[in-house]
Amino acid sequence: DIQMTQSPSSLSASLGDRVTITCRASQSISSYLNWYQQKPGKAPKLLIYVASILQSGVPSRFTGSGSGTDFTLTISSLQPEDFATYYCQQSYSSPYTFGQGTKLEIK
Amino acid sequence: QLQLQESGPGLVKPSETLSLTCIVSGDSISSSSNYWGWIRQPPGKGLEWIGSAYYSGSTDYNPSLKSRVTISVDTSKNQFSLKLSSVTAADTAVYYCARHSIFGGNNFDYWGQGTQVTVSS
Repeated sequence: DIQMTQSPSSLSASLGDRVTITCRASQSISSYLNWYQQKPGKAPKLLIYVASILQSGVPSRFTGSGSGTDFTLTISSLQPEDFATYYCQQSYSSPYTFGQGTKLEIK
Repeated sequence: QLQLQESGPGLVKPSETLSLTCIVSGDSISSSSNYWGWIRQPPGKGLEWIGSAYYSGSTDYNPSLKSRVTISVDTSKNQFSLKLSSVTAADTAVYYCARHSIFGGNNFDYWGQGTQVTVSS
C-alpha cells in the first residue's frame, strides 16, 4: 500500500493568513493526488483533484501543487469557513489511501 | 443535483454482518464514468477506503478488508450496497458512500452524509 503522510497534524492560524499543508507519498504517484475538506459531523468535500485542478464551486484561494511524492495545499487568505480538517488521498493505485489529516484551527 | 443517502442499522452485534445501502439520485448508477464506493471513519480517526463497485458488477476492495467485504450494485433501484461480515468493535465507524469518479483522476466527488454504525452486544 502507498502510505500518505501529512504535515503538520494540526495548525493554528488567523483570519487572512496564508497557510500551507504538505502531503508526502511513500512512492511516486505522479499527479494522482486529491485534497478534501471535512468539517465536524459532515462528510468530506472534494477540493482539488489531480494535484492542482480546482473542483467546481471551490474558491480560488485554494491551490494545489506538486507531483511525484511531494504535494502541497495552500489557502491564500484564511476565511472563517476554512477552519476544518484537510485530508490528502492518493488515487494512483488501489488501495486508495488517505493521509491522517491536518486540523486547521483558529489562533 | 447528485445526492447519495446511506441507510441501514446503526447497531450491529459482534460476529454479525453489517449491511448498508446507498440510494443514488440525480445520476444514473449505470454511468460508465463512475464506480460507487464506501469509505469509513472510526471515531476521532481518519478515512479508510473500503471498496468500490462498477455497475457491471466489477469490484475493487481494500485488501485489509477484502475477505469480509461485498459491494454490489442494483441498477434497477439505482442503489448500491455494502456487506461487512464478522464485525468486531474495530468496525465501529461512520460509513460514507460516495461516487468514485474514474475520469476525474479517481476521486470521490460526491458523498452521502454518513451513517454511524456501532458494533456492540
